[in-house]
Amino acid sequence: NAGVTQTPKFQVLKTGQSMTLQCAQDMNHNSMYWYRQDPGMGLRLIYYSASEGTTDKGEVPNGYNVSRLNKREFSLRLESAAPSQTSVYFCATTGGAHTEAFFGQGTRLTVV
Amino acid sequence: GENVEQHPSTLSVQEGDSAVIKCTYSDSASNYFPWYKQELGKRPQLIIDIRSNVGEKKDQRIAVTLNKTAKHFSLHITETQPEDSAVYFCAASSPTSGSARQLTFGSGTQLTVLP
Repeated sequence: NAGVTQTPKFQVLKTGQSMTLQCAQDMNHNSMYWYRQDPGMGLRLIYYSASEGTTDKGEVPNGYNVSRLNKREFSLRLESAAPSQTSVYFCATTGGAHTEAFFGQGTRLTVV
Repeated sequence: GENVEQHPSTLSVQEGDSAVIKCTYSDSASNYFPWYKQELGKRPQLIIDIRSNVGEKKDQRIAVTLNKTAKHFSLHITETQPEDSAVYFCAASSPTSGSARQLTFGSGTQLTVLP
């Protein structure tokens, strides 16, 4: 029972390159989220998915796209990476409205 | 949307003293308020949470208080220990247009417990 698994853990991209961050959960939760964490700014919501087949924008969606492939998997895509997207990315999942959010181990992305 | 402000950004206390971190929120529809602890290089992990129908909750050395009227909530850690050193985040859960709820985080407090 792994909980929430993110891949990769580290990535360096050149400006303009694209990549997809993968997230999978084995907790049978409906809701999944992508956050970015920058120093002094907490965790900011990029996109979320209430259930399989639905996605919605969060606070900072520009430059990103998401896919909720099935109940287990929620991916985040950067089509044309920019240095401003250098950050630590966390995937999370919740089982209900007032329940704990479980986070993946994070992906440290550097765009040069 | 919801806006959560957290203070202070850094806090140093002597081992055994108490630490208090305060947060305010803007959306009166928010009704769930968790606190997360994040150690260096690790993922955030829940340490305590409170729902809007409760004013206070305790779990051993940790307590959270909520004032719905004033829209603020606080984390209290008593008898601090060096292993309490970490970044602490407050959050508020507010409704969205879909069935998911949006969890908005404060900017974090770096707590350092000095031996």
